[in-house]
Amino acid sequence: DAEITQSPRHKITETGRQVTLACHQTWNHNNMFWYRQDLGHGLRLIHYSYGVHDTNKGEVSDGYSVSRSNTEDLPLTLESAASSQTSVYFCASSEGQGGYTFGSGTRLTVV
Amino acid sequence: DQQVKQNSPSLSVQEGRISILNCDYTNSMFDYFLWYKKYPAEGPTFLISISSIKDKNEDGRFTVFLNKSAKHLSLHIVPSQPGDSAVYFCAALNRDDKIIFGKGTRLHILP
Repeated sequence: DAEITQSPRHKITETGRQVTLACHQTWNHNNMFWYRQDLGHGLRLIHYSYGVHDTNKGEVSDGYSVSRSNTEDLPLTLESAASSQTSVYFCASSEGQGGYTFGSGTRLTVV
Repeated sequence: DQQVKQNSPSLSVQEGRISILNCDYTNSMFDYFLWYKKYPAEGPTFLISISSIKDKNEDGRFTVFLNKSAKHLSLHIVPSQPGDSAVYFCAALNRDDKIIFGKGTRLHILP
């Protein structure tokens, strides 16, 4: 069965460290997205991609980067982790029309 | 500036009764509106959607109503069941396949 997986499920890191969160989908979807979920803010878009080598900034992209070298993966990198980036991160993929499939999330704590 | 607003952070409904979750939006260019359901420690899952050219869509116990003149949509769940207790996100899809989420409403179904 096709799926979308995120790893790790939980991560604790120190301020200033570089961290990469993985997202892998086997739906063969062109569109992939990264969101963060915070209390009082709902889900906010960080970065997204419409295909290989395409990346775009969302509404809260500062301090984050993504790369898309193949269809299946869209890793999210925090260049220098900050306490404000403590959050739950969700990856999603879609073939259009809003039919997003979400991963189970990564809970990141920056200490 | 919030384009999708869910003004009720939480809602409690008796089991068997109707649950009504409300959502307002500001951008009349959205193509689709969607509802996602989220349980703790899981990713959001798609529940139901409605095209901007429709005013009602029904799927089993779930019905979404769209009032374009008021820029308002609502999700009706009837009858409400214990498994419906979750966070519900209202969302709008623009023409770039980007989904903008509201902050969510936590629904509690009371026994």
